Amino acid sequence: SQQGEEDPQALSIQEGENATMNCSYKTSINNLQWYRQNSGRGLVHLILIRSNEREKHSGRLRVTLDTSKKSSSLLITASRAADTASYFCAQNSGGSNYKLTFGKGTLLTVNP
Amino acid sequence: SAVISQKPSRDICQRGTSLTIQCQVDSQVTMMFWYRQQPGQSLTLIATANQGSEATYESGFVIDKFPISRPNLTFSTLTVSNMSPEDSSIYLCSTLGAGQETQYFGPGTRLLVL
Repeated sequence: SQQGEEDPQALSIQEGENATMNCSYKTSINNLQWYRQNSGRGLVHLILIRSNEREKHSGRLRVTLDTSKKSSSLLITASRAADTASYFCAQNSGGSNYKLTFGKGTLLTVNP
Repeated sequence: SAVISQKPSRDICQRGTSLTIQCQVDSQVTMMFWYRQQPGQSLTLIATANQGSEATYESGFVIDKFPISRPNLTFSTLTVSNMSPEDSSIYLCSTLGAGQETQYFGPGTRLLVL
C-alpha cells in the first residue's frame, strides 16, 4: 500500500494560534480524509475532500487539496487545548469507495 | 452515526497465548474493518469482514494469525493468535460512515505482549 507522509511529525503551538499540517500521497485518489485521534483512542472523522475539490471548510477546519502535487493540508484556526491530538490523513484510492490508506500522522500539542 | 464498543479496552498477555477482541456496533452494518496501530505508527488495515462470508485479508496478514468472525450484522471478533511482543499494538474496529466513504471507529484495544 502507498502510505501517505505527513509533516510535521510533531507540532507544538500556543492556544489561539493556527496549526497547519500537511499530507502527501503517491497514487491518484477518489477522496482524501482527515481524522483525529485523542491519546491512543479511536479515530474521529473530521472532513472529506474529493479529488475534484480544491478547498473545504468545516468550522475552524480548512482543508486544501492539490492533486497536481499530490498533497493536502489541514488548517486549524484559533487552536484550543482540546485540539491536542494526533491528526491523520487517509486516502481513498482505486475502485473501492471505502478502503482507506492512512498517513503516519502529526502529533499536535496546543499549550494553554 | 454508529456507536462502536470494543472489549477488552486493554490487556497484557504472555507470548504464545491468544486473545479475542470483540467489536459491537449499535446498528446493523454490512462491512466491518479491523486495523492494527503499532506504537507511534499509523493504522494498517488487517482485514474487511462482511457478514456471511469469509473475511478479506490485506497483504501481510493471514487468517491463521488473525482469525475473524462475523456472526451477525452488529458484531465481530478478531483473534490475535500465538502472540509475540511484536503483536503489541492498538487494535481498532470500524464501520462505514456517511456516504459509505468515511469510517466510524471503536475506541480500540490496547494489547501488550510480554
